[in-house]
Amino acid sequence: EDQVTQSPEALRLQEGESSSLNCSYTVSGLRGLFWYRQDPGKGPEFLFTLYSAGEEKEKERLKATLTKKESFLHITAPKPEDSATYLCAGYNTDKLIFGTGTRLQVFP
Amino acid sequence: NAGVTQTPKFQVLKTGQSMTLQCAQDMNHEYMSWYRQDPGMGLRLIHYSVGAGITDQGEVPNGYNVSRSTTEDFPLRLLSAAPSQTSVYFCASRRTTGGGIQYFGAGTRLSVL
Repeated sequence: EDQVTQSPEALRLQEGESSSLNCSYTVSGLRGLFWYRQDPGKGPEFLFTLYSAGEEKEKERLKATLTKKESFLHITAPKPEDSATYLCAGYNTDKLIFGTGTRLQVFP
Repeated sequence: NAGVTQTPKFQVLKTGQSMTLQCAQDMNHEYMSWYRQDPGMGLRLIHYSVGAGITDQGEVPNGYNVSRSTTEDFPLRLLSAAPSQTSVYFCASRRTTGGGIQYFGAGTRLSVL
């Protein structure tokens, strides 16, 4: 069965304290791995797509990486405005298979 | 720059009532889908459509109907609401080709009493 698992469920960081979020997947015929950001009361907002192992993408303080079994979202020197839930999803034919997300809180 | 628009934003129903959640996109995307999001469960696919006149079931289709008469609109109908359908519902759209980015609406928060 196709599955995407994210860890940790919740993460509290001090401003400037770098860390990583994990997304492990077992998705047959994976065609891409997506990262989304979701703010409370809003829909998910696209961050990155990774298509092959070894690929990396960066956006401001965020960097996403992909291996054959997992993806990481690295957050460097986070700020309070980075607080959100981060969702990972595997793309397989016509469907996105989502993990349950990591809720990140960054304190000043 | 509207993107994906969902209405209503909030709705309270009584058990057994029916209603339609509206979704419209202005990006000429072929693919549209409906998800529900529940605490600890992540986003689960209800129904999807790869183009006008074509719909298919997702992971949790029971109790929901969809139709796709135009490229722009993809309404989700609850036939007889149940408390188990209390959730946040998201509509999304993307291009069919190239594994395109999926854009989400702001969601409809539904409570069934």
